[in-house]
Amino acid sequence: KNQVEQSPQSLIILEGKNCTLQCNYTVSPFSNLRWYKQDTGRGPVSLTIMTFSENTKSNGRYTATLDADTKQSSLHITASQLSDSASYICVVSGFREYGNKLVFGAGTILRVKS
Amino acid sequence: KAGVTQTPRYLIKTRGQQVTLSCSPISGHRSVSWYQQTPGQGLQFLFEYFSETQRNKGNFPGRFSGRQFSNSRSEMNVSTLELGDSALYLCASSWGQGITGELFFGEGSRLTVL
Repeated sequence: KNQVEQSPQSLIILEGKNCTLQCNYTVSPFSNLRWYKQDTGRGPVSLTIMTFSENTKSNGRYTATLDADTKQSSLHITASQLSDSASYICVVSGFREYGNKLVFGAGTILRVKS
Repeated sequence: KAGVTQTPRYLIKTRGQQVTLSCSPISGHRSVSWYQQTPGQGLQFLFEYFSETQRNKGNFPGRFSGRQFSNSRSEMNVSTLELGDSALYLCASSWGQGITGELFFGEGSRLTVL
């Protein structure tokens, strides 16, 4: 069964600290992996999209890594800010016969405290 | 550049009624996809439309349907509403077909079924 599992489920950190969110997937065949940030009551916003051949991708203080062999990805947030408080969703796109299939993780809820 | 616009933002319906939600994509985007987000199930893919044709479909009952117009605007309809249909319905637009590229999400339509 195609699945995407994220950990931890929730996380609280102090402002200025770094953190790493994890995403493990079993989606096959694999097309790409995305990380989205979703503020409460808002739509998700894309942070990164990585294909099979990409190991690392950065977007400001956000750095995503991908290990396609072990089917693992991580999202590292550097020098966290209060505005980083949000849900972070890992989404894996897999090929299927009549178009791509998106499988969503349950998300990690991050709270940054001052 | 205007983002993805969803209307209405909030609505309340009773069981058995039907509802129609609207999505206007970013200008120039030809693909519109729809998602259901609930606390228990997270984000789930409903369907994707490209050039007025449904190209991809998730695992939802036939009560959930949609369409896309020649100007790329899309509507989704849910008939015979059930309590479990209460959710945030998100649409996303992208330039190409197949959900391969970056998705731009709207703010969502929050449906409450009483």
